Amino acid sequence: AQKITQTQPGMFVQEKEAVTLDCTYDTSDPSYGLFWYKQPSSGEMIFLIYQGSYDQQNATEGRYSLNFQKARKSANLVISASQLGDSAMYFCAMREGVGGSEKLVFGKGTKLTVNP
Amino acid sequence: AAGVIQSPRHLIKEKRETATLKCYPIPRHDTVYWYQQGPGQDPQFLISFYEKMQSDKGSIPDRFSAQQFSDYHSELNMSSLELGDSALYFCASSRTPGTSGSRRSDTQYFGPGTRLTVL
Repeated sequence: AQKITQTQPGMFVQEKEAVTLDCTYDTSDPSYGLFWYKQPSSGEMIFLIYQGSYDQQNATEGRYSLNFQKARKSANLVISASQLGDSAMYFCAMREGVGGSEKLVFGKGTKLTVNP
Repeated sequence: AAGVIQSPRHLIKEKRETATLKCYPIPRHDTVYWYQQGPGQDPQFLISFYEKMQSDKGSIPDRFSAQQFSDYHSELNMSSLELGDSALYFCASSRTPGTSGSRRSDTQYFGPGTRLTVL
């Protein structure tokens, strides 16, 4: 079963507007972490934002914020004031557990295109 | 800030050849992870090391092996290369999971990747 689901293969947004990228997850582990990474066409994987399962507040990092709804098991990424340089693939990932296996499980990704 | 270093950045090999990919983690990071990303795919976990010991193993072929050395750098050795091994190979590093007070203590930071092409 897919542990991370990103239902939007592609998204388009106008420059300077906000955009929400969806991510739902599936786990029975009470301790987990959710991550968003950006992958430009050049290929590198850039860490954007992290949300822990026990965090009381939604994570924010500059123009990035995470809309974390634990009961719905969703962790949507919100990018405010989109810029042309935001055009890239965006991956949602989950780390399960504390200690032991710390691997990340990724969703299929969403390709974001920012139009001028 | 120092980042994860991977070498080489690009590698072209023939079928049945061997390849060695190197990874130098961020200073003071003691855990290294290897991921494989095929064309148009999401990254898939291969293997991880903590304090020079294998800590977890994913969908890594038996033809591949890896280790972490005393200076925490890691090498991924790939033998009998196949066309299907053509992919972007990422190394990521993190500090000891779960032992730091920072909520980012276990964030995995990725290197730029090694693009392997098997002809």
